[in-house]
Amino acid sequence: GAVVSQHPSWVICKSGTSVKIECRSLDFQATTMFWYRQFPKQSLMLMATSNEGSKATYEQGVEKDKFLINHASLTLSTLTVTSAHPEDSSFYICSATPPGGPYYEQYFGPGTRLTVT
Amino acid sequence: AQSVTQLDSHVSVSEGTPVLLRCNYSSSYSPSLFWYVQHPNKGLQLLLKYTSAATLVKGINGFEAEFKKSETSFHLTKPSAHMSDAAEYFCVVSDTDMRFGAGTRLTVKP
Repeated sequence: GAVVSQHPSWVICKSGTSVKIECRSLDFQATTMFWYRQFPKQSLMLMATSNEGSKATYEQGVEKDKFLINHASLTLSTLTVTSAHPEDSSFYICSATPPGGPYYEQYFGPGTRLTVT
Repeated sequence: AQSVTQLDSHVSVSEGTPVLLRCNYSSSYSPSLFWYVQHPNKGLQLLLKYTSAATLVKGINGFEAEFKKSETSFHLTKPSAHMSDAAEYFCVVSDTDMRFGAGTRLTVKP
């Protein structure tokens, strides 16, 4: 149980275009979802926390207008990278917390590798 | 404020020998501590977690970790390394949110 999927697993886009990444909790409802970014050979950095039906809370230094997060249902959150640039190339990972679970009980998706050319 | 330091960026062991991945933390509160493993191009898998119960925590795949408050450490160990253990390991501290260490790459030699 507690499976989180991401789609796509790998995406290449041209500079200036936008790309959407989906994060789904497959067998549980996720009241809270988290988006992380991981640069090559580095650790995960929390980008934002999203709660179903409300606006996402972004970490300091993360541009909310560039990284649009929508958590429209209890099983789906999306991250849209707008006007992507090569420096946005990274590994994006989402995680989800079941209802009533502590915030640290996070189940991670397999990640999406974004390459901007 | 909370932070976590993984003392080794890379650890190399031979198959069948013990594994020790070191982690020190700082936290203003009583933290929860975790170890995650990440295989190449894969998501994170929880190995084990400490949430103020027993200080010696047993996880999956033969891993265990001991919470030592006096040393502010949460080192990960395994008695005998297997080739499939080769991966990146992250120590995570959590009191108000989750903070990841920089990671330790474990290489297992045949």
